[in-house]
Amino acid sequence: RKEVEQDPGPFNVPEGATVAFNCTYSNSASQSFFWYRQDCRKEPKLLMSVYSSGNEDGRFTAQLNRASQYISLLIRDSKLSDSATYLCVVNHSGNTGKLIFGQGTTLQVKP
Amino acid sequence: DAGVIQSPRHEVTEMGQEVTLRCKPISGHNSLFWYRQTMMRGLELLIYFNNNVPIDDSGMPEDRFSAKMPNASFSTLKIQPSEPRDSAVYFCASSLHPGAAGYTFGSGTRLTVV
Repeated sequence: RKEVEQDPGPFNVPEGATVAFNCTYSNSASQSFFWYRQDCRKEPKLLMSVYSSGNEDGRFTAQLNRASQYISLLIRDSKLSDSATYLCVVNHSGNTGKLIFGQGTTLQVKP
Repeated sequence: DAGVIQSPRHEVTEMGQEVTLRCKPISGHNSLFWYRQTMMRGLELLIYFNNNVPIDDSGMPEDRFSAKMPNASFSTLKIQPSEPRDSAVYFCASSLHPGAAGYTFGSGTRLTVV
């Protein structure tokens, strides 16, 4: 079983739609969680951290469910520029650990 | 700040040749990571360094792969001999410490082994 699993998609949605991605992780000792964004043929970039209480950054909302070991990302009012691959990322061991990346979920927003 | 700098951007080589990928991390970042990305396997961590010391190389696929970090501003990933299955995009990333959220990735080296 992969340490971090995501539905690869692609998710094809019209502009203005709301879309949600889920991710599950296998290591219950994982401590930190993030979403990264990767544009086609570019490097991954940090989108946002994910906190237990849930957090929001503009149109983006991230949630963490430790009991079920899943993480979600909600994008509201999607824009063409949101088209990218979204990577779910987990850190096992705090400051001494390393980031493990999921394979990513591809989003295509169409006009 | 120039960010994480990788070279070359693209490399095409013949099977059996030695390949060396280079990385300059962000000044002041203590941790450096080498990742490999393919369509089939996604982003895989190969090795990471903290304060120039290799901490975890469990992701290095086999003995043909080696990585060094002789100082805080430079790291290399070497493949010798290269094989077609090594074709991938190799990313270097750096951060203040291993668990930091803000990994900064370089632009990657796209390696093709023919």
